[in-house]
Amino acid sequence: EDQVTQSPEALRLQEGESSSLNCSYTVSGLRGLFWYRQDPGKGPEFLFTLYSAGEEKEKERLKATLTKKESFLHITAPKPEDSATYLCAVRHGGSNYKLTFGKGTLLTVNP
Amino acid sequence: DVKVTQSSRYLVKRTGEKVFLECVQDMDHENMFWYRQDPGLGLRLIYFSYDVKMKEKGDIPEGYSVSREKKERFSLILESASTNQTSMYLCASSPQRGSSTQYFGPGTRLTVL
Repeated sequence: EDQVTQSPEALRLQEGESSSLNCSYTVSGLRGLFWYRQDPGKGPEFLFTLYSAGEEKEKERLKATLTKKESFLHITAPKPEDSATYLCAVRHGGSNYKLTFGKGTLLTVNP
Repeated sequence: DVKVTQSSRYLVKRTGEKVFLECVQDMDHENMFWYRQDPGLGLRLIYFSYDVKMKEKGDIPEGYSVSREKKERFSLILESASTNQTSMYLCASSPQRGSSTQYFGPGTRLTVL
């Protein structure tokens, strides 16, 4: 059974304090790892898709990386507007459609 | 830009009522999904559809049904609402080819009294 574990559950940072969120996964035949950002009371917003170990994607202060067992979402010099829940999801080779989601990391960036 | 819209942001219903949640996407995506999201449980897939009139059960289909009569529209039906169906309901769509990235709507916060 596919498993996705995100850590930590919650992270509190000061503005400008860089850190990383972790997403470890157990899946047979990874067909994609997805990162989403979710603001309170809203739907998840797509950030990145990674397909193979060694791949990296960047968007503003965010950089996602992928290994064979985990993915990291690095946040460089965060701002208060980066505060949100970050969700990780995986798609395995046996499914054309289904994603398995982790429970998310709640990031709070204090000014 | 991909746009997924949901018919209501907030909905309050009574136990036993029949509830319809509507979702519309404008990107000609083949796949559409209904999830519910609850604190501590994350996103759980209720149903998905890979084509018009086609549907498959997700992880928690009990108490729900779906309808997809047109490609752009996917409806979630609670036949007889119960208090344990109080939740945030999220609709998503994705193309069948390529990355199959799922794009989400804004969500419907349903409260069943």
